[in-house]
Amino acid sequence: DGGITQSPKYLFRKEGQNVTLSCEQNLNHDAMYWYRQDPGQGLRLIYYSQIVNDFQKGDIAEGYSVSREKKESFPLTVTSAQKNPTAFYLCASSRWGQGAVNSPLHFGNGTRLTVT
Amino acid sequence: GQQLNQSPQSMFIQEGEDVSMNCTSSSIFNTWLWYKQDPGEGPVLLIALYKAGELTSNGRLTAQFGITRKDSFLNISASIPSDVGIYFCAGPYMNRDDKIIFGKGTRLHILP
Repeated sequence: DGGITQSPKYLFRKEGQNVTLSCEQNLNHDAMYWYRQDPGQGLRLIYYSQIVNDFQKGDIAEGYSVSREKKESFPLTVTSAQKNPTAFYLCASSRWGQGAVNSPLHFGNGTRLTVT
Repeated sequence: GQQLNQSPQSMFIQEGEDVSMNCTSSSIFNTWLWYKQDPGEGPVLLIALYKAGELTSNGRLTAQFGITRKDSFLNISASIPSDVGIYFCAGPYMNRDDKIIFGKGTRLHILP
């Protein structure tokens, strides 16, 4: 079955350490996205990529970095510069632009990151 | 900037009741999307609306694209326990193809 796989489901890190969250899709989608979810805040866009080797900052990119070396993969690194990294992180993909007709977002099941 | 306002923020209802929630914006949208997020999982698309006035159903769910293009409504009939979760509306930011914005969600609780 096609879908998006995020791993791990739960991740614990010490403050000051960088951590990379994995996201893989086998839907053959061009576009991929990372969102952060905090209680009561909805979904906030961190980074997105519409094509391999290209990506753009979203609304809250500070303290995060991404790469898009393969169509299927869009890993997110939470760096030590991110002041409040503890959150639920969601990866998503869409056939092409997420606002385009018939190109809805497909989400993974998220990674809950806890930094202490 | 462009924002989507969802109401109510949360709802507590009895099983079997009907549910109504809405999403409003100060600017016009040409697409409205409704997603549902089950606890601990990623959101899933429920209904997509592409035309003003459009009324679309998906099982017990019905969504409408407001005539003014500044609002949308989601109704759930005869709620059941698995309806629990967070419902998000979304739409294309500035009607662009490459980015959508989400409302903050309506959290639905069902009392036994």
